[in-house]
Amino acid sequence: DIQMTQSPSSLSASVGDRVTITCRASQSISSYLNWYQQKPGKAPKLLIYAASSLQSGVPSRFSGSGSGTDFTLTISSLQPEDFATYYCQQSYSTRTTFGQGTKLEIK
Amino acid sequence: QVQLVQSGAEVKKPGASVKVSCKASGYTFTSYDINWVRQATGQGLEWMGWMNPNSGNTGYAQKFQGRVTMTRNTSISTAYMELSSLRSEDTAVYYCAKGVTLRGVDWFDPWGQGTLVTVSS
Repeated sequence: DIQMTQSPSSLSASVGDRVTITCRASQSISSYLNWYQQKPGKAPKLLIYAASSLQSGVPSRFSGSGSGTDFTLTISSLQPEDFATYYCQQSYSTRTTFGQGTKLEIK
Repeated sequence: QVQLVQSGAEVKKPGASVKVSCKASGYTFTSYDINWVRQATGQGLEWMGWMNPNSGNTGYAQKFQGRVTMTRNTSISTAYMELSSLRSEDTAVYYCAKGVTLRGVDWFDPWGQGTLVTVSS
């Protein structure tokens, strides 16, 4: 199976900060990479699909980039509601896999 | 709006089976795959498998082969995930999610609210 590794595993930041989360695949996955946000006690919510396409209704401060093995999720100016855990997911393989998650906490 | 509503929490003994339901609304149930993902407390997301509600075809993660069965009832737009031979490590929240495909890229949206399955003697 394709392994997805996120870094960092946790991150402390302040409202207004620019934050970048990285996701690395164990093999090339082209642009078959999605990002989800999960808040405590809630289901994951799709943010970005196909590496860089913003899901409808998601604020434009979220953006995604990358292809091949290295991908990033950037939040341009953190808002209080953005403190959550973020997961990347590869859909290159029919056996989809997720990263271990990055927990974004308030500094 | 597109929505997936799952059945309520379950408590099961080791060795038993559990069947979780996922009722779809707001879209044509047979047009999109349903995937199942689980999450142990404080842990990450683990994909279990997919089902095509139109054909009934399924694909399971190797880890769950032989223990998981995904089915559907198209007349009530509901998908089911049954996991057998439960052990304590199966204690988790189980999610269903609608699979979307566009230009060959797949993603999950939306997700059900989750069903907590607790395995305890």
